[in-house]
Amino acid sequence: DARVTQTPRHKVTEMGQEVTMRCQPILGHNTVFWYRQTMMQGLELLAYFRNRAPLDDSGMPKDRFSAEMPDATLATLKIQPSEPRDSAVYFCASVTDRTPKNIQYFGAGTRLSVL
Amino acid sequence: DAKTTQPNSMESNEEEPVHLPCNHSTISGTDYIHWYRQLPSQGPEYVIHGLTSNVNNRMASLAIAEDRKSSTLILHRATLRDAAVYYCILRDVRRAQKLVFGQGTRLTINP
Repeated sequence: DARVTQTPRHKVTEMGQEVTMRCQPILGHNTVFWYRQTMMQGLELLAYFRNRAPLDDSGMPKDRFSAEMPDATLATLKIQPSEPRDSAVYFCASVTDRTPKNIQYFGAGTRLSVL
Repeated sequence: DAKTTQPNSMESNEEEPVHLPCNHSTISGTDYIHWYRQLPSQGPEYVIHGLTSNVNNRMASLAIAEDRKSSTLILHRATLRDAAVYYCILRDVRRAQKLVFGQGTRLTINP
């Protein structure tokens, strides 16, 4: 079964530290999304890329968050410096525009706790 | 983005049908109706989507009102594994593949 892989699954860090979350999209998928989920805000779209180019990062706090796709098999989301309010589950999803269905496939998420 | 309204929670019994409603009175002609669900401690997963006609797949059925202002996700025979949060989302085909998630309906299945 093709799937989106996220690492690490869990991350506990202290305030002020840099956090890097990684996502391997499904092979051949050309659009990658980053979402954040908290109890208060639900699932929010942070940013997304098509063919490795950023399309929309308006949901992302620019001062501390950055998202990149160094190559077609890896997307990264960095937080520097991290703050307790960044504690959440971060999901990556990928989709291909080669079929009309546009189904997003989600990873299992990275649960981040910033102390 | 056009908005959807869903009940916060619903409860049903195992092996019975479940009808999950969604209102989207401001839907536009270019909006597809998508349903995703999120099982506990997992990422969301696609369930079904449609534009105007009712749709069936192995997971569920989607019934779309004639005026498209509402839709219903139907689980024909619920199992305990169907307990999840179900999200009804409108996706505008003009805006790439972007999805905007609301709060969804938390479905509880009683044994």
